Amino acid sequence: GQQLNQSPQSMFIQEGEDVSMNCTSSSIFNTWLWYKQDPGEGPVLLIALYKAGELTSNGRLTAQFGITRKDSFLNISASIPSDVGIYFCAGITGTASKLTFGTGTRLQVTL
Amino acid sequence: NAGVMQNPRHLVRRRGQEARLRCSPMKGHSHVYWYRQLPEEGLKFMVYLQKENIIDESGMPKERFSAEFPKEGPSILRIQQVVRGDSAAYFCASSPIMDRSLKTQYFGPGTRLLVL
Repeated sequence: GQQLNQSPQSMFIQEGEDVSMNCTSSSIFNTWLWYKQDPGEGPVLLIALYKAGELTSNGRLTAQFGITRKDSFLNISASIPSDVGIYFCAGITGTASKLTFGTGTRLQVTL
Repeated sequence: NAGVMQNPRHLVRRRGQEARLRCSPMKGHSHVYWYRQLPEEGLKFMVYLQKENIIDESGMPKERFSAEFPKEGPSILRIQQVVRGDSAAYFCASSPIMDRSLKTQYFGPGTRLLVL
């Protein structure tokens, strides 16, 4: 089946630093979504990308849909403690509606 | 506008019992998806339903698992004769009928199933 590989698996950063994470696949995706999941909660949608090359921002978050349609990245600027959590990319291929999730990036922020 | 609601949030069952998980989509959403998440892993798709129809059940185990989304009431994911390996978090997501290509899914808080 399709797989989305996220890197890094985990990262420890200091408050105020910028963060960058990415998601790659061997398959082409038509839609990329980025979610954040806190412990014991469901994923919360951060950014949705629908077109190759699209660059979208949501506050301190910026995400891009790769030109090859096989990758996407998420940047967080000036991290704060509440950014702690697991970030998942998810993609949709073809006419399917189901999401294929990445392996997740665990973000820890130190003061 | 209330988000996706799931209940119960936690469910404990003994091996062999049945588990029924409920999901009420966001208001105005008529598409429901169920996903399963094992500890330290990403979510895995199980089934996609519209009102009274199963659209895609390619991720659903062939035995013991079933899902429905009746005309009235919540979507139900039913697991019969549960085994320890069914212990996981089960998430429901919904999307609106007129969303951009139906692609954006909003998730509920999940039901954490523990099988003893």
